[in-house]
Amino acid sequence: DTGVSQDPRHKITKRGQNVTFRCDPISEHNRLYWYRQTLGQGPEFLTYFQNEAQLEKSRLLSDRFSAERPKGSFSTLEIQRTEQGDSAMYLCASSLEGQGGEKLFFGSGTQLSVL
Amino acid sequence: AQTVTQSQPEMSVQEAETVTLSCTYDTSENNYYLFWYKQPPSRQMILVIRQEAYKQQNATENRFSVNFQKAAKSFSLKISDSQLGDTAMYFCAFISYGGSQGNLIFGKGTKLSVKP
Repeated sequence: DTGVSQDPRHKITKRGQNVTFRCDPISEHNRLYWYRQTLGQGPEFLTYFQNEAQLEKSRLLSDRFSAERPKGSFSTLEIQRTEQGDSAMYLCASSLEGQGGEKLFFGSGTQLSVL
Repeated sequence: AQTVTQSQPEMSVQEAETVTLSCTYDTSENNYYLFWYKQPPSRQMILVIRQEAYKQQNATENRFSVNFQKAAKSFSLKISDSQLGDTAMYFCAFISYGGSQGNLIFGKGTKLSVKP
């Protein structure tokens, strides 16, 4: 069990560029989540997949953001036309349905800096 | 709307001593779960302890225990015999049972420093 892995750990980009992050969940977990964490704040929910279906998106997820989870395995989060306000840490988590109480296992995050 | 409040931005404790981190929450739900997560400098959020609201008994995990007061909507974390490795941000989190899946609501965190 290698845990939840995220790639890259750090990403520096210029405003207006597109970026894509990858998350590999724990292999037997069918649920996958994306959160965003800004400095001095707790994580904020962005979106959630059960298998390959994206079941919920928060209001924070503007139309510049898109997430996919093809075949219910890894997931990607893409941000188009990045803005300085997108600078944050993007956390991925996974869980196994039926555990109860959403016991989430988190990755180490991707730190995005938009210059 | 549910909210989670952590009123202590920073705390410190001497190694081997006991420290209590505070958390209050607001909800109209009756069934929910509460969590404490630890985020060390490595940034990975690690689940410390979980409490089911329908259980009156306070959860414990080794040196970590909670004081869950449902009527007061209070959920504090006690760390006994503090160790240097406990130095981290600690986040209190809430999710309603059967509610929006995965939409954990986090507080702003408490930065805990354990001093030798």
